[in-house]
Amino acid sequence: GDSVTQMEGPVTLSEEAFLTINCTYTATGYPSLFWYVQYPGEGLQLLLKATKADDKGSNKGFEATYRKETTSFHLEKGSVQVSDSAVYFCALIEGSNYKLTFGKGTLLTVNP
Amino acid sequence: GAVVSQHPSRVICKSGTSVKIECRSLDFQATTMFWYRQFPKQSLMLMATSNEGSKATYEQGVEKDKFLINHASLTLSTLTVTSAHPEDSSFYICSAETGTGDGYTFGSGTRLTVV
Repeated sequence: GDSVTQMEGPVTLSEEAFLTINCTYTATGYPSLFWYVQYPGEGLQLLLKATKADDKGSNKGFEATYRKETTSFHLEKGSVQVSDSAVYFCALIEGSNYKLTFGKGTLLTVNP
Repeated sequence: GAVVSQHPSRVICKSGTSVKIECRSLDFQATTMFWYRQFPKQSLMLMATSNEGSKATYEQGVEKDKFLINHASLTLSTLTVTSAHPEDSSFYICSAETGTGDGYTFGSGTRLTVV
């Protein structure tokens, strides 16, 4: 079945540092890929998405490129801020079952 | 954009009582909604898929008699935790497929504490 593997955290960075959170997936077809962010005590918010190979999703300075050849969708940001501290989830949807498959989440803490 | 409103955000109840959590789609119709449970520092576990006008589909290992789901309209799904016990304490999140290609919109979650 489908699965998503993302780097385990927690990740702790200083403000303005470069961020990479790795995400790889396993799917039988051509899934749509997502990054969601969860701030403390809240639900999930869509951060960015990509629906086909070589698409780049971007939002709030975050970027991720759908790499079919490496089955990856790594999240990057050039300069993190304290307000980026949250849990980040990589996820995919494949086919018509409309079920999201999530990675385990990566806790990011950004210190001033 | 599409918004899902979840209520209450926090609830504390006594063991043996039942708690109802509501999830409403505010500006779109949600034929399908999903209920997740999240344990501390863990990912989301899909509990069930709620379909308007029909019975919910539960994931393996989820007790359907304990977690009652009702999706009586295109804008409202409810999850009732019946005869709650402390081990049911968790963070419950609903979501709905918006039909916009953005995947899902999530509610803000409900922190349930059973004492």
